[in-house]
Amino acid sequence: EVQLVESGGGLVKPGSSLKLSCVASGFTFSSYGMHWIRQAPKKGLEWIALIYYDSSNKYYADSVKGRFTISRDNSKNTLYLEMNSLRSEDTAMYYCAKGLRRVFDYWGQGVMVTVSS
Amino acid sequence: DIVLTQSPALAVSLEQRATISCKTSQNVDNYGISYMHWYQQKPGQQPKLLIYEGSNLASGIPARFSGSGSGTDFTLTIDPVEADDIATYYCQQSKDYPRTFGGGTKLELK
Repeated sequence: EVQLVESGGGLVKPGSSLKLSCVASGFTFSSYGMHWIRQAPKKGLEWIALIYYDSSNKYYADSVKGRFTISRDNSKNTLYLEMNSLRSEDTAMYYCAKGLRRVFDYWGQGVMVTVSS
Repeated sequence: DIVLTQSPALAVSLEQRATISCKTSQNVDNYGISYMHWYQQKPGQQPKLLIYEGSNLASGIPARFSGSGSGTDFTLTIDPVEADDIATYYCQQSKDYPRTFGGGTKLELK
């Protein structure tokens, strides 16, 4: 059974940093691209980053480019999202998702990040 | 960016057909594949993949869900609607970066 478990969220002040983790199990993690997708409270879904299976390519949404960094450690079956210069508009539930044929076929349960003074 | 437009809400009766539309600002087809996908999200839960590449049913999804369309116009159909289908439905394109979602259609009971 595919499982994706996010952690690392919390309440932080504007301008601060946070690093999210997503531990994967139930599939060969090193064979698949992985994504981060977020959802602001009562809002829709926003894709924010993709990392290829071998970390050879990374893509970002303009809203986070230059502030967020996606990475992975295939030896630990773990995906990361390092978030710097956080803003109030980054407040959201953050989901990691497994990629397959350009779709998000499995999603984690999400981790909440709140940016507020 | 490719913009996806969905109606915010749709009211349906149980055992009737629900048709949810998604229109894109650009063609999302390429080499015969429609890079349009549909997800279901229930309150307090993560989204779940329903349909990929326009019309392919994801694993474990009941056959009452179907997808159709091409180019810039796509439809998710639920027939018949069951109580468990009350949720918000999102379309999503993967033709280009950034990957983008529609605003979601909340399926409600009449």
